[in-house]
Amino acid sequence: EIVLTQSPATLSLSPGERATLSCRASQSVSSYLAWYQQKPGQAPRLLIYDASNRATGIPARFSGSGSGTDFTLTISSLEPEDFAVYYCQQRSNWPLFGPGTKVDIK
Amino acid sequence: EVQLLESGGGLVQPGGSLRLSCAASGFTFSSYAMSWVRQAPGKGLEWVSAISGSGGSTYYADSVKGRFTISRDNSKNTLYLQMNSLRAEDTAVYYCAKDYGDYEFGWYFDLWGRGTLVTVSS
Repeated sequence: EIVLTQSPATLSLSPGERATLSCRASQSVSSYLAWYQQKPGQAPRLLIYDASNRATGIPARFSGSGSGTDFTLTISSLEPEDFAVYYCQQRSNWPLFGPGTKVDIK
Repeated sequence: EVQLLESGGGLVQPGGSLRLSCAASGFTFSSYAMSWVRQAPGKGLEWVSAISGSGGSTYYADSVKGRFTISRDNSKNTLYLQMNSLRAEDTAVYYCAKDYGDYEFGWYFDLWGRGTLVTVSS
């Protein structure tokens, strides 16, 4: 069974800073990995699919990279609306979400 | 407007049953697989079940297999989740989610409803 680990659990940054979030799989998931953003009281929003493809309407400041077991979501310059929880999700077998990384305001 | 709207949540006793509905609009419902994803209070996301666009293929997480049944009515653009033998650990917000591509199953979710809260407690 594949396990996803996200780090750090919490990332405290200021608006305008660069955010780098990590997702690691216990075995290879090829490029079958997505990233979602969830704000309090809201549903998740798909940001990135297949490791590096931005979903429709997602700003260019969001980018994804990686393959195999190590993946990264980068937010190049944090906007106030980007402070949220971010989940990775693999689809190599059943959909499985990571535990999340909370990006909060420093 | 493209949207999903869940309903049917509420308070139910352990061992009880509940049926959730998800009304879809703004897209060709029958072309897309659909899933239910749940989130326990203060916790992360857990995929629960999926159904193909035609309804001919269904899948379940081990945690709900044999207790939950997913179905859809493409004439009504509606997705369902019948939940039986409910347990305290089924307490969560249940989201319906649309598959991102018109494959049988894309397994990424590009449209989500607002969710409906299911509370299992005596």
